[in-house]
Amino acid sequence: DTGVSQDPRHKITKRGQNVTFRCDPISEHNRLYWYRQTLGQGPEFLTYFQNEAQLEKSRLLSDRFSAERPKGSFSTLEIQRTEQGDSAMYLCASSPLAGLETQYFGPGTRLLVL
Amino acid sequence: GQNIDQPTEMTATEGAIVQINCTYQTSGFNGLFWYQQHAGEAPTFLSYNVLDGLEEKGRFSSFLSRSKGYSYLLLKELQMKDSASYLCAVIVTGGGNKLTFGTGTQLKVEL
Repeated sequence: DTGVSQDPRHKITKRGQNVTFRCDPISEHNRLYWYRQTLGQGPEFLTYFQNEAQLEKSRLLSDRFSAERPKGSFSTLEIQRTEQGDSAMYLCASSPLAGLETQYFGPGTRLLVL
Repeated sequence: GQNIDQPTEMTATEGAIVQINCTYQTSGFNGLFWYQQHAGEAPTFLSYNVLDGLEEKGRFSSFLSRSKGYSYLLLKELQMKDSASYLCAVIVTGGGNKLTFGTGTQLKVEL
């Protein structure tokens, strides 16, 4: 399978704990995006990388959130001191730098903060 | 910012045709995507429009009018498996190609 993969698929944590999610994009895709989706809503942009550089962060991304893509391949999204409002589906997408630049989404990580 | 509107829910009959509308207000419009999302799954790409007109791909077609800020997704020969949420999303220039999504239209296909 050469699609976007995410790990874990599901995460249940207690309020105040830290969590980290991983995304492996389609190989050779330069751009990698993180989105958050809550029930009944469309995905909301959080941040994106072009290779290893983080080029934009949404105002939704508070200082408790941090994302990295150290070698321009996989990316991690960490949430510190989780809150119940962080419960959502976290989606990763990747796209090539040239051409149509369609974003292809991974299966997502569903986070539940108790 | 961007504002994207689509109907919340639609119901259609198997074998029929359904049109899902999307209107948007944005500056620096650079293209519009349609994605399909089944419950609990990731969005999957359906179509992309950047110029005015109709793009056809099998049972799915998408139309764009840039001057009217309007798009629609047309689904023909509906099948039960087409029951899903359909997401309209726009990209703008200088935005790193990030997608701004509407809330999605939940389509229910009935017998």
